[in-house]
Amino acid sequence: EVHLVESGGRLVQPGGSLRLSCAASGFTFSSYWMTWVRQAPGKGLEWVANIKQDGSEIHYVDSVKGRFTISRDNAKNALYLQMNSLRAEDTAVYYCARHPRYGSGTYYNFDYWGQGTLVTVSS
Amino acid sequence: DIQMTQSPSTLSASVGDRVTITCRASQSVNNWLAWYQQKPGKAPKLLIYKASSLEFGVPSSFSGSGSGTEFTLTISSLQPDDFATYYCQQYYTYPLTFGGGTKVEIK
Repeated sequence: EVHLVESGGRLVQPGGSLRLSCAASGFTFSSYWMTWVRQAPGKGLEWVANIKQDGSEIHYVDSVKGRFTISRDNAKNALYLQMNSLRAEDTAVYYCARHPRYGSGTYYNFDYWGQGTLVTVSS
Repeated sequence: DIQMTQSPSTLSASVGDRVTITCRASQSVNNWLAWYQQKPGKAPKLLIYKASSLEFGVPSSFSGSGSGTEFTLTISSLQPDDFATYYCQQYYTYPLTFGGGTKVEIK
């Protein structure tokens, strides 16, 4: 069974940094694109970043470019999100999710999600 | 960026009702569209991918249709477990974007 478990969320001051982790199990992690999606309190979903199986291709939403870095460690079955220069508007539940594979390709919807970790940016 | 607009934002319905939610894209996304269900405090759950393909394990009461810029999610007979918020998402191009959500409430 696929499991994704996020950790690392906490209260942080504006301008601060935080590293989120996502532990994956139940599937061959190195075979899948992975992604981070966030949801501000009471708001909708926002895709943040994703990363190819070998880390050779990465995409970000404009609002986090230059501040957030997505990475992965396939040996540890782990996905990370390094968040720097945090702002109040980054306050959200951050979900780790998997992009599914259909046939030999990847679809960029999300088939499995973690339970989320809450990041609160406030002084 | 492709803007995804859902309507209505809130929908009141009764058990057994047929429910339709619309999602419009600001430009064509072909059929690269997914639908998710989210309940309070929980992660979203994939229902439909590629506009009309039912994800494994999702009840057949859910169906999706459309292509290009206009899409619909239909629940043929609303069940108590279906009261939730529904989101569409395009994956035709980056940034991947979601609609604002449609909350299905008990009438």
